Amino acid sequence: DAGVIQSPRHEVTEMGQEVTLRCKPISGHNSLFWYRQTMMRGLELLIYFNNNVPIDDSGMPEDRFSAKMPNASFSTLKIQPSEPRDSAVYFCASSPKGYYGYTFGSGTRLTVV
Amino acid sequence: SQQGEEDPQALSIQEGENATMNCSYKTSINNLQWYRQNSGRGLVHLILIRSNEREKHSGRLRVTLDTSKKSSSLLITASRAADTASYFCATGLANQAGTALIFGKGTTLSVSS
Repeated sequence: DAGVIQSPRHEVTEMGQEVTLRCKPISGHNSLFWYRQTMMRGLELLIYFNNNVPIDDSGMPEDRFSAKMPNASFSTLKIQPSEPRDSAVYFCASSPKGYYGYTFGSGTRLTVV
Repeated sequence: SQQGEEDPQALSIQEGENATMNCSYKTSINNLQWYRQNSGRGLVHLILIRSNEREKHSGRLRVTLDTSKKSSSLLITASRAADTASYFCATGLANQAGTALIFGKGTTLSVSS
């Protein structure tokens, strides 16, 4: 099992550009989560999906952020247009249905200049 | 918003000593989990304790939960240099469709040899 796979590992982009982060969860996991980590705010839950359906997106900062899960093996988080304050490490995690621990990916370090 | 808060923010000990980290939370939970994050890496699940449990062990880890005080503690016994990492508590807020973990800001543990 390769674990949760995120790409790219690092992304440097200019302000105003579109950024797409990708995640492949563990096969068989029903839930997928996107988190953002910064020194100031810690780990923030952005959005999560159960069985490919978005359940709670109240953590998405604003309309510039969107997330999709077109099938059980793939999810994207898109920022358009990007701003310097979006610079952070973005983590994807997945878990089986029920009360289990999450498996996190290695994260995408996003820098917007 | 932050649900859990770890205490202390930073802890420095010598190898062989025990390390205790505390977590307080605000609202009712179904479960509480502890995670470890090494520098530049994703989070790794350590242990899960359900709201009807009071204590749980896993190797050198001991977790306690006091739902009346809304607090938990993580004890690492006989610490090693490899235990150097940030430790996060996360609480599961159950809803009809599933559980999304809310993370605290973490305790940074440094173990020197």
